[in-house]
Amino acid sequence: EADIYQTPRYLVIGTGKKITLECSQTMGHDKMYWYQQDPGMELHLIHYSYGVNSTEKGDLSSESTVSRIRTEHFPLTLESARPSHTSQYLCASSGRYEQYFGPGTRLTVT
Amino acid sequence: KNQVEQSPQSLIILEGKNCTLQCNYTVSPFSNLRWYKQDTGRGPVSLTIMTFSENTKSNGRYTATLDADTKQSSLHITASQLSDSASYICVVSDRGSTLGRLYFGRGTQLTVWP
Repeated sequence: EADIYQTPRYLVIGTGKKITLECSQTMGHDKMYWYQQDPGMELHLIHYSYGVNSTEKGDLSSESTVSRIRTEHFPLTLESARPSHTSQYLCASSGRYEQYFGPGTRLTVT
Repeated sequence: KNQVEQSPQSLIILEGKNCTLQCNYTVSPFSNLRWYKQDTGRGPVSLTIMTFSENTKSNGRYTATLDADTKQSSLHITASQLSDSASYICVVSDRGSTLGRLYFGRGTQLTVWP
């Protein structure tokens, strides 16, 4: 089992609220990723980081932002949540050849 | 366009039976192909990873095959169990970097009935 954690696991929040999804890993990996996944659909990369103070946008346009101040921590923030942000958010980190996923956060914006 | 296509989209089998899931890809240049298992509401967990030179790799009751010439892979599950019910995702990496860019299929939703 990979040592990568996400909190909260489930979140229901009203439109306009600011939220932060937490992701942390204890494997010392430099590379970390955020994916968005809707039911029955493929994972879409929304942000990635190759190390501390390094963040890049992924393939899928997202209104979220990320930060990487510490190696083990890669939080994702939505300044103003909207119903279109309802989805599953998966955090991952990778070593040399393998990518490990966290359990995901299921976000519902009402 | 780099793509990963999986079939079937969904599959129902009886406990104890075998099944085979398919993955076709157009990713180039190719680095490696992975199969992940994703339980409902959980993150994907790696089953196998194969590079260009590997034709087959097993992990318990899971056996993956790769034909890099035809750009096809299959995942064979032997003697299925109820716990095998999950989505199985094929992921192909290109050769851009050590990990490479990952291309995800939409997965095959497998349901095992008692």
